[in-house]
Amino acid sequence: ETGVTQSPTHLIKTRGQQVTLRCSSQSGHNTVSWYQQALGQGPQFIFQYYREEENGRGNFPPRFSGLQFPNYSSELNVNALELDDSALYLCASSLAGLSTDTQYFGPGTRLTVL
Amino acid sequence: GNSVTQMEGPVTLSEEAFLTINCTYTATGYPSLFWYVQYPGEGLQLLLKATKADDKGSNKGFEATYRKETTSFHLEKGSVQVSDSAVYFCALSRRGNYGQNFVFGPGTRLSVLP
Repeated sequence: ETGVTQSPTHLIKTRGQQVTLRCSSQSGHNTVSWYQQALGQGPQFIFQYYREEENGRGNFPPRFSGLQFPNYSSELNVNALELDDSALYLCASSLAGLSTDTQYFGPGTRLTVL
Repeated sequence: GNSVTQMEGPVTLSEEAFLTINCTYTATGYPSLFWYVQYPGEGLQLLLKATKADDKGSNKGFEATYRKETTSFHLEKGSVQVSDSAVYFCALSRRGNYGQNFVFGPGTRLSVLP
């Protein structure tokens, strides 16, 4: 069974640029959630996709957008990057988009905005 | 809105000591509650969960009971080991009017000394 994978591992961008992060969900999972984790803090929920539809969104501006594909992999896009966007971005997959589901986290993408 | 408050760390204990990490939450309705753990050099993984009031989650000697009356989900272990050294995150999930929402606490770093 393949776990959750994310790419790239690390990324450096400059302010104002756009970035796309990718996530492959665990086999059999149809739900993907994205989180931003600043250094020394807990993950902050960005949004969740269930069967290609947005299934919930945290308190992030519209320049954070996402997609989920028919194979349930997902992308997180961030436009007009700001310095404060520097963080570890985590993807988590789960079975069925329910509040009771366990989430399985990937290793994360470390984004640095200069 | 939904929130999670978790005791600040770091917490340093000697091997075989008793561990309590306090967690309280604010949420309407009945959220699901989780403890996730991050071992050094590894990703976030589920430690235990409880999905309704008075449920007790347990795993690897750790326990936590969902207390609706005190809105708490404190993590306990009777005898910690060096291998328990990690960062522990309390979290809740709940489906609201606008979809799923997930909230993590800031994390508590535990160091266990031999």
